[in-house]
Amino acid sequence: GQSLEQPSEVTAVEGAIVQINCTYQTSGFYGLSWYQQHDGGAPTFLSYNALDGLEETGRFSSFLSRSDSYGYLLLQELQMKDSASYFCAEDNYGQNFVFGPGTRLSVLP
Amino acid sequence: DVKVTQSSRYLVKRTGEKVFLECVQDMDHENMFWYRQDPGLGLRLIYFSYDVKMKEKGDIPEGYSVSREKKERFSLILESASTNQTSMYLCASSFRVGSGFSTDTQYFGPGTRLTVL
Repeated sequence: GQSLEQPSEVTAVEGAIVQINCTYQTSGFYGLSWYQQHDGGAPTFLSYNALDGLEETGRFSSFLSRSDSYGYLLLQELQMKDSASYFCAEDNYGQNFVFGPGTRLSVLP
Repeated sequence: DVKVTQSSRYLVKRTGEKVFLECVQDMDHENMFWYRQDPGLGLRLIYFSYDVKMKEKGDIPEGYSVSREKKERFSLILESASTNQTSMYLCASSFRVGSGFSTDTQYFGPGTRLTVL
């Protein structure tokens, strides 16, 4: 089967750095995406890793290690508006597209 | 800007009713998806379509069917609604990368919160 694991909740303070981990276990893995969802809103795309290494987009970075079946989302200079749920999603080439259970990030003042 | 619209934001139906959820995208995307989202379970894929009249089962297709007669429109059908289908339903679309089902960024609609009584 296909499953992704993420921590259910993370709490951090404004200005801090937080890392949200995601592990996956499947065959036919193609890439890992990250999505942000605010309460009552639709998920919005943040980043995608098809190759090992770090992808940086402003304050957000995403990392993938295929050999470890592991990735993470790194959020720097946290702001209150970053309080949301974050989902990793596995692109299983030719088969399916699977989302993790989500990590709820709370940013405290 | 990509726009994905869903026919209703909130819907209340009775057990046994036939329910249609409509999704329309305006970016000429090949792929379209239907998910349901429940607390603690994340988004679970019900069905997806990579072309007109084509459909593939996702993780939880039981109790649902889909229709894609036009490229821009993807419908989710609950043939006989049950209380365990009360959920938030999200539609998404994306370009298809390469020749397989691998997807580019998915763009989501605002969601339909369905309550089955």
